[in-house]
Amino acid sequence: EDQVTQSPEALRLQEGESSSLNCSYTVSGLRGLFWYRQDPGKGPEFLFTLYSAGEEKEKERLKATLTKKESFLHITAPKPEDSATYLCAVQKDSSYKLIFGSGTRLLVRP
Amino acid sequence: DAGITQSPRHKVTETGTPVTLRCHQTENHRYMYWYRQDPGHGLRLIHYSYGVKDTDKGEVSDGYSVSRSKTEDFLLTLESATSSQTSVYFCAITTGDTYTYNEQFFGPGTRLTVL
Repeated sequence: EDQVTQSPEALRLQEGESSSLNCSYTVSGLRGLFWYRQDPGKGPEFLFTLYSAGEEKEKERLKATLTKKESFLHITAPKPEDSATYLCAVQKDSSYKLIFGSGTRLLVRP
Repeated sequence: DAGITQSPRHKVTETGTPVTLRCHQTENHRYMYWYRQDPGHGLRLIHYSYGVKDTDKGEVSDGYSVSRSKTEDFLLTLESATSSQTSVYFCAITTGDTYTYNEQFFGPGTRLTVL
């Protein structure tokens, strides 16, 4: 069964304390993996697409990496404004559909 | 900003009442999607559209119907709302003409409560 699992469910960090979020997936034939940020009461905001194992993408304090079975979202020296829920989704080959994980709620304390 | 608006943004209704949610986009994108988001389930696809009058079911389509008579509007209808349909509903679009790489962009959401 196609599945996307994100861990941890929730993460509390002190400002400046770097960490990583995990997205593991079991799909047959990955076309792309997507990361989104979602603030309370808003729609998900697109961050990155990763297409193949070994690929990395960066945006400000965020860096996403991809292996054959999982992706990591590394957050370097986070700030309180990085607090949000981070969602991961995968797209299979020959499919338009995205399969979403349940998300990781990140809280960064000043 | 992908130019997506949803209406209404909040709605409270009673069991058995029909409800229609509207998604409007300003950039004539071909692909549009309706999702629901519930705690512990993430985002789940209800229906999608790949053109005017071209729609198909997602993984949680029971109890929902959709229509797309114009490129810019994608309507989601709950024919007879039930309490299990209390959720936050998101519309999304893909900016490309194919779904090859399906980067989706989301609207602000509609919070629906069915009493």
